[in-house]
Amino acid sequence: KAGVTQTPRYLIKTRGQQVTLSCSPISGHRSVSWYQQTPGQGLQFLFEYFSETQRNKGNFPGRFSGRQFSNSRSEMNVSTLELGDSALYLCASRDGGGGEQYFGPGTRLTVT
Amino acid sequence: SQQGEEDPQALSIQEGENATMNCSYKTSINNLQWYRQNSGRGLVHLILIRSNEREKHSGRLRVTLDTSKKSSSLLITASRAADTASYFCATDGNDYKLSFGAGTTVTVRA
Repeated sequence: KAGVTQTPRYLIKTRGQQVTLSCSPISGHRSVSWYQQTPGQGLQFLFEYFSETQRNKGNFPGRFSGRQFSNSRSEMNVSTLELGDSALYLCASRDGGGGEQYFGPGTRLTVT
Repeated sequence: SQQGEEDPQALSIQEGENATMNCSYKTSINNLQWYRQNSGRGLVHLILIRSNEREKHSGRLRVTLDTSKKSSSLLITASRAADTASYFCATDGNDYKLSFGAGTTVTVRA
């Protein structure tokens, strides 16, 4: 099976802009999670979707949003970008139950 | 906020030596998982230990879990240069998310 894919891999945006990141899970996986990784805060959970429903959301401002489509692909959107949003954004999928998550290579977002 | 704390923050060892890192967490868990990350890339799952298990092995990896102390350890035996990476513990509760520790950076010297 193909692994988790994320697009784009690298992105440079300006403060105030918005950005959309995409994630395609492993075939058959219905759960998709998003994490933000920064040197200062480490790996922080953003949200988790299962069959198009958000089941949990991390402690992030409303500028961070996501959705999942019927084919399990997921997108996350960050509006009104701030410098502090510069990070590696990681997507992970699993089959829905507890257990290991399979991570994509990440999208490196730089906000200038 | 992060669930776990890892110790040490960094570790430098000679090839062939063993590496041990520890993880402590705060709340009850269903399972605890260890992941490896190379140079800011995606995380690779290493091993999962359930809350009712005390020890688990996978190749050169040995994980222990002490739920009474809310702690876990990861042992990598006979380390290789390719083991150079950051290692993260992550707890999985009944909340559809993983809570990660700060990670241990391991450097294996040739």
